[in-house]
Amino acid sequence: DVKVTQSSRYLVKRTGEKVFLECVQDMDHENMFWYRQDPGLGLRLIYFSYDVKMKEKGDIPEGYSVSREKKERFSLILESASTNQTSMYLCASRPTRDPRPQYFGPGTRLLVL
Amino acid sequence: DQQVKQNSPSLSVQEGRISILNCDYTNSMFDYFLWYKKYPAEGPTFLISISSIKDKNEDGRFTVFLNKSAKHLSLHIVPSQPGDSAVYFCAASSSLSGGYNKLIFGAGTRLAVHP
Repeated sequence: DVKVTQSSRYLVKRTGEKVFLECVQDMDHENMFWYRQDPGLGLRLIYFSYDVKMKEKGDIPEGYSVSREKKERFSLILESASTNQTSMYLCASRPTRDPRPQYFGPGTRLLVL
Repeated sequence: DQQVKQNSPSLSVQEGRISILNCDYTNSMFDYFLWYKKYPAEGPTFLISISSIKDKNEDGRFTVFLNKSAKHLSLHIVPSQPGDSAVYFCAASSSLSGGYNKLIFGAGTRLAVHP
């Protein structure tokens, strides 16, 4: 079974704080993803990575950055959190063999005050 | 521009009956389609997928139908069970878009299965 874990289920931060969200997968998948989910908007891709140290912008990268130093770990960074970044953040991974689904972690619900 | 649309925000079905969830897409380059199920405060769980070379794929109680000419897919759940109550997301991707890495999601349909 694919296992994708996220470091926190719930986080409360203040405006302007730097926030780190961590994601780890144990299936040796090449590709990893960060999404945010907001009511009525579905899931929107923030960034993805297809290899260590490689990253590509998704549809809504503004205000976020990412880091992938090891294959199994993908971090999302909010450089200066703002209230409009209050959301559910979801990490996913998939192998490169095509086509294959993405497998998601449990999510981190972030509240920025 | 919403490339993947789920026009019904919610659906209510009686236990034991069929649930039909619908999804429309606009991009003719999409060639791989997926359905995910999501419970509150959890990540989406992959349910079933279909490649554009097929028009139907079954897995137990779940069947996905693809109508390429209408750019429409549907998920059938038979029989529906109370544990199926969740939000269902349709997603689409293309081999031309980051090698299937870019998934475009619909807004979701909340299914409620009542006794």
